[in-house]
Amino acid sequence: EAGVVQSPRYKIIEKKQPVAFWCNPISGHNTLYWYLQNLGQGPELLIRYENEEAVDDSQLPKDRFSAERLKGVDSTLKIQPAELGDSAVYLCASSLVRTGELFFGEGSRLTVL
Amino acid sequence: DQQVKQNSPSLSVQEGRISILNCDYTNSMFDYFLWYKKYPAEGPTFLISISSIKDKNEDGRFTVFLNKSAKHLSLHIVPSQPGDSAVYFCAARGASGTYKYIFGTGTRLKVLA
Repeated sequence: EAGVVQSPRYKIIEKKQPVAFWCNPISGHNTLYWYLQNLGQGPELLIRYENEEAVDDSQLPKDRFSAERLKGVDSTLKIQPAELGDSAVYLCASSLVRTGELFFGEGSRLTVL
Repeated sequence: DQQVKQNSPSLSVQEGRISILNCDYTNSMFDYFLWYKKYPAEGPTFLISISSIKDKNEDGRFTVFLNKSAKHLSLHIVPSQPGDSAVYFCAARGASGTYKYIFGTGTRLKVLA
């Protein structure tokens, strides 16, 4: 069974440029998460989807970040414009609510110059 | 407000001995607890989980213990192997439909050959 797939793995951009990350969750997982991980820290939740509905986006900086989950499967996280402080790893994860297990993708490492 | 805490940033253990990683939490409304292993430049890999209604779960060399009265979680690795060297994160899932996973800041385990 394929795991959570993310792309791109690495992205280097200049500040004020836009960037987008894509995620394909594990088949059948209705809940999808985007997390932010800074060096030396644990993952921090940005947004959670149940099917196509964003049920928790309280920690998403909505002035520059946006996300969508097309047809309740793939998801895209966008930053526009990017700032220096956005340099981090963006992790996508999916789960089945009844099992409690959460599975991560490899992450997308963003460097903003 | 750090609801999930890993107070030891690092741990060194001799190969073949037991590794014990600890985690404390402050919120009684978590229903699942999980452990992840993370290698550099990779996403967190799910290791083992435990439901809040249990006090022990075992999977091969990995055992997780849950002490609800002390709000304490631990991961035992026996015997430790050099390949276990990584950063370990504990996580807790909010109950009552929130399904929000909160992570600790991680403990770096080094297994010495």
